[in-house]
Amino acid sequence: AQSVTQLDSQVPVFEEAPVELRCNYSSSVSVYLFWYVQYPNQGLQLLLKYLSGSTLVKGINGFEAEFNKSQTSFHLRKPSVHISDTAEYFCAVSEGDAGNMLTFGGGTRLMVKP
Amino acid sequence: AAGVIQSPRHLIKEKRETATLKCYPIPRHDTVYWYQQGPGQDPQFLISFYEKMQSDKGSIPDRFSAQQFSDYHSELNMSSLELGDSALYFCASSFRLAGTDTQYFGPGTRLTVL
Repeated sequence: AQSVTQLDSQVPVFEEAPVELRCNYSSSVSVYLFWYVQYPNQGLQLLLKYLSGSTLVKGINGFEAEFNKSQTSFHLRKPSVHISDTAEYFCAVSEGDAGNMLTFGGGTRLMVKP
Repeated sequence: AAGVIQSPRHLIKEKRETATLKCYPIPRHDTVYWYQQGPGQDPQFLISFYEKMQSDKGSIPDRFSAQQFSDYHSELNMSSLELGDSALYFCASSFRLAGTDTQYFGPGTRLTVL
């Protein structure tokens, strides 16, 4: 069975500063990796995904993530955050067959301060 | 672009009542997933359907049942509601036949059990 660990439950950062949200996973098989963002009282919006190929993945809103197989990590980064990036971010993994359920990490609350 | 539609968006029920949540997947998507997100928690997988057949089952209580209909919409039926069932219920859909594993989420149904 797979599991996902998001090491930071909260990350406070000033506007225009860089940010990294950490995600580690464990699985006995190959996986697909995802980052979702959840704004207050809203659903989950897909930020980016890694299915195969290049380990550096670019997503929406200027976010990117790097898949590191040896460290079983998929950290999310943004070089310069905005107030509007304040939200809950979830890392998720599914086993490498289409149609499998997602296992989510506990979430990281990104709080961008002016 | 069309998104996943969930209805109702909000639902208030008394203990021991029943509730039915509906999900309309993105057109052409063949797989539907249901997740439950308790307050301050990450989403937990409940059940999924592929081409109207149950595909995978997670931590879904026996009091809950679900099905996918011929038009691919899905319904989650919840009976003998308990206070602990109060949560945000998400539906997601994907196009498994395309060989990808990207799930797109609806806005969720917020269920409050009094």
